[in-house]
Amino acid sequence: DTGVSQNPRHKITKRGQNVTFRCDPISEHNRLYWYRQTLGQGPEFLTYFQNEAQLEKSRLLSDRFSAERPKGSFSTLEIQRTEQGDSAMYLCASSRTIQAKNIQYFGAGTRLSVL
Amino acid sequence: EDQVTQSPEALRLQEGESSSLNCSYTVSGLRGLFWYRQDPGKGPEFLFTLYSAGEEKEKERLKATLTKKESFLHITAPKPEDSATYLCAVQDGGSYIPTFGRGTSLIVHP
Repeated sequence: DTGVSQNPRHKITKRGQNVTFRCDPISEHNRLYWYRQTLGQGPEFLTYFQNEAQLEKSRLLSDRFSAERPKGSFSTLEIQRTEQGDSAMYLCASSRTIQAKNIQYFGAGTRLSVL
Repeated sequence: EDQVTQSPEALRLQEGESSSLNCSYTVSGLRGLFWYRQDPGKGPEFLFTLYSAGEEKEKERLKATLTKKESFLHITAPKPEDSATYLCAVQDGGSYIPTFGRGTSLIVHP
């Protein structure tokens, strides 16, 4: 069990460019979550998968954002035509539900800076 | 809609000075309440989960308690390495998506 892995750790991009982040969950975890966190705030939910199915998306997830989880393993989060307001820490978490209990474990995050 | 309010926003303690952090919540049927620790530039690290009023969990200098409306994270004789932001989150019975509070930033001075 190597924990949740996120890549890259840091990404600097120019406004208007597309970026893609990757998340590798803890093996055998069937749920995978994406969050966004800005300074002084708690993580804000973006979207989540159960296996390969994307079950819910937040209102925060504009049309420029898309997430995939092919084959129910790793996941990618793509932001198209980045804006300065997209600058944030993007966190991935995974969980496995046991007896209705669902504890999420987080990766180290990808910090995005849009210039 | 689930709501989580953490207080205080920031807390400065001297090493050895015990204190408590508060997490007030409103939820329609609690599936679980979670405490995480987050160091600067890193992802949240899981500490505890509590499921029913009256439940308590302990880990080293930390103790989490739960009532029907709030949870406390008690820190006994803190050390400088306990400095971090502590996040509280709740999941309601109809969802597997937690709602997070804004966190309490704790600084422990030597």
